[in-house]
Amino acid sequence: DAGVIQSPRHEVTEMGQEVTLRCKPISGHDYLFWYRQTMMRGLELLIYFNNNVPIDDSGMPEDRFSAKMPNASFSTLKIQPSEPRDSAVYFCASRLGQGWNSPLHFGNGTRLTVT
Amino acid sequence: DAKTTQPNSMESNEEEPVHLPCNHSTISGTDYIHWYRQLPSQGPEYVIHGLTSNVNNRMASLAIAEDRKSSTLILHRATLRDAAVYYCILRDVNDDMRFGAGTRLTVKP
Repeated sequence: DAGVIQSPRHEVTEMGQEVTLRCKPISGHDYLFWYRQTMMRGLELLIYFNNNVPIDDSGMPEDRFSAKMPNASFSTLKIQPSEPRDSAVYFCASRLGQGWNSPLHFGNGTRLTVT
Repeated sequence: DAKTTQPNSMESNEEEPVHLPCNHSTISGTDYIHWYRQLPSQGPEYVIHGLTSNVNNRMASLAIAEDRKSSTLILHRATLRDAAVYYCILRDVNDDMRFGAGTRLTVKP
């Protein structure tokens, strides 16, 4: 089991550019979560999917952010246009089922720097 | 939404037990108590969870108060590798997994 795989590990971009973060959940997991972590705000839940369908996107900060899950093995988080305040570590996590015994499995994150 | 309160930081000596407290006075009857930890430069990892009864696994023990308004994560013998931020989270029926600020545990050799 390779775990949750995120790419890239680091991304440096200039303000105004489009940024796409990628996530491959653990095979068979039907829930996928996107989180953002900053020193000021800690870990924030942005959006989560169940069976590729977005369930709750209330944490998405604004229209510049969008997330998709075209199939069970791939999800993207896109920021367009990016701004310096978007600099953070973005984590993807997956889970098998809604059972209370199902833990979240996190990837190692993508560190985004917007200059 | 039910929320949790944890101390910002705690210190422990290596090979001594550590008790990490969490208050969740507004917990509902269906909320499970989950603990995660985040090692430096890594994503959070699951530690343990429970509903009403105390729980043990290879990583830690979870002691839940009888009224469920508080819980304690117990590391029986802290090692330097246990230095991390520990998060106490309530998992509610809406399926939200929202993290608070957590407790930063420092382990001294």
